Amino acid sequence: AQTVTQSQPEMSVQEAETVTLSCTYDTSESNYYLFWYKQPPSRQMILVIRQEAYKQQNATENRFSVNFQKAAKSFSLKISDSQLGDTAMYFCAFMNSGGSNYKLTFGKGTLLTVNP
Amino acid sequence: AAGVIQSPRHLIKEKRETATLKCYPIPRHDTVYWYQQGPGQDPQFLISFYEKMQSDKGSIPDRFSAQQFSDYHSELNMSSLELGDSALYFCASSLGLRETQYFGPGTRLLVL
Repeated sequence: AQTVTQSQPEMSVQEAETVTLSCTYDTSESNYYLFWYKQPPSRQMILVIRQEAYKQQNATENRFSVNFQKAAKSFSLKISDSQLGDTAMYFCAFMNSGGSNYKLTFGKGTLLTVNP
Repeated sequence: AAGVIQSPRHLIKEKRETATLKCYPIPRHDTVYWYQQGPGQDPQFLISFYEKMQSDKGSIPDRFSAQQFSDYHSELNMSSLELGDSALYFCASSLGLRETQYFGPGTRLLVL
């Protein structure tokens, strides 16, 4: 079974600064996807970014980028130029891409607060 | 762009009652997932459907059942509700298996 660990329960950052959220995972699979989802106070789950394990290039979406280290099983999220609207719970998630099980396995989340 | 629709958005039930949650996936999406998120918890996978067939089952109680209909919408039926069933229930949809899941706004269920 896969496990996802987010070791930072809470983090804070000043507006316009850069912050990095950590995520590690454990799996015996070689093909999989990794995701970051954001859950603001509205509790909507919003996709932030996706990374395919077979791709060496790190995914980027505007101010959001990842540092994917497959050998170390690490998948961190960097948020540049932080904005007040980035305040949310951030969940790292794993999905197997082989076999028959395609559920998302989430970490416990990191609560990010962006301060003005 | 159209998103996943869930209804109702809020639901209050008494213990031992029954509840039905509905999910309408993004148009053309053929795969639906159900997740349960308790207070202060991460979402936990319940069950999924692909092309109207159950594709995977997680930690779903026997009191719960679900199905996907011919128009791809899905319903989660919950019977003999318990206080511990109070949670936020998410539906997510994707275009095929192994694809990115997009979440609906969730249904907040409160069991009194």
